[in-house]
Amino acid sequence: DAKTTQPNSMESNEEEPVHLPCNHSTISGTDYIHWYRQLPSQGPEYVIHGLTSNVNNRMASLAIAEDRKSSTLILHRATLRDAAVYYCILIRTNAGKSTFGDGTTLTVKP
Amino acid sequence: DAGVIQSPRHEVTEMGQEVTLRCKPISGHDYLFWYRQTMMRGLELLIYFNNNVPIDDSGMPEDRFSAKMPNASFSTLKIQPSEPRDSAVYFCASSQNRGGTGELFFGEGSRLTVL
Repeated sequence: DAKTTQPNSMESNEEEPVHLPCNHSTISGTDYIHWYRQLPSQGPEYVIHGLTSNVNNRMASLAIAEDRKSSTLILHRATLRDAAVYYCILIRTNAGKSTFGDGTTLTVKP
Repeated sequence: DAGVIQSPRHEVTEMGQEVTLRCKPISGHDYLFWYRQTMMRGLELLIYFNNNVPIDDSGMPEDRFSAKMPNASFSTLKIQPSEPRDSAVYFCASSQNRGGTGELFFGEGSRLTVL
């Protein structure tokens, strides 16, 4: 399975943008890039996913490098409720299997 | 929809006892996943099903673990006999659409403590 690499932790100030990076240099052409976040004592929650083009939804934006070997999750205005562990994972089309890495723990300071 | 429903939310048992964790996926979802989360190993995929058929159980730690999906609306993860090292939070997730196009929906997890 293709693996992802993320920084262990990041800090942000409230109401400022946050850019969370993810490296996936061994990504294959049929791998989708998914982002999830996990709040304390909860199950992971879907944030966004994409294949090649940048994606936007109400929660965040996903910027995918042209060679697809890296991506960045963008939270446009961080709030205290965004403090969580953020996971970047790859899911292969028609395979279903996904492997979670250690994720990035985001701390948001008031 | 109520989302993915897991039971029990908490289970405390003694070593050697049988443990059964249950999951009801979201209606219409054709994939079901069982994950285990610990501080040491993070989130591990144990097994997943597609249309009720186990596709990949390579993450199941050993023969003490078994999972079934008798129908599209129910799955179980059984540990027999349980050991203290099985203590973890077990998550069930489901998804629609094929492969990586669909988002994973997770349940709230079942926290297992084996004494």
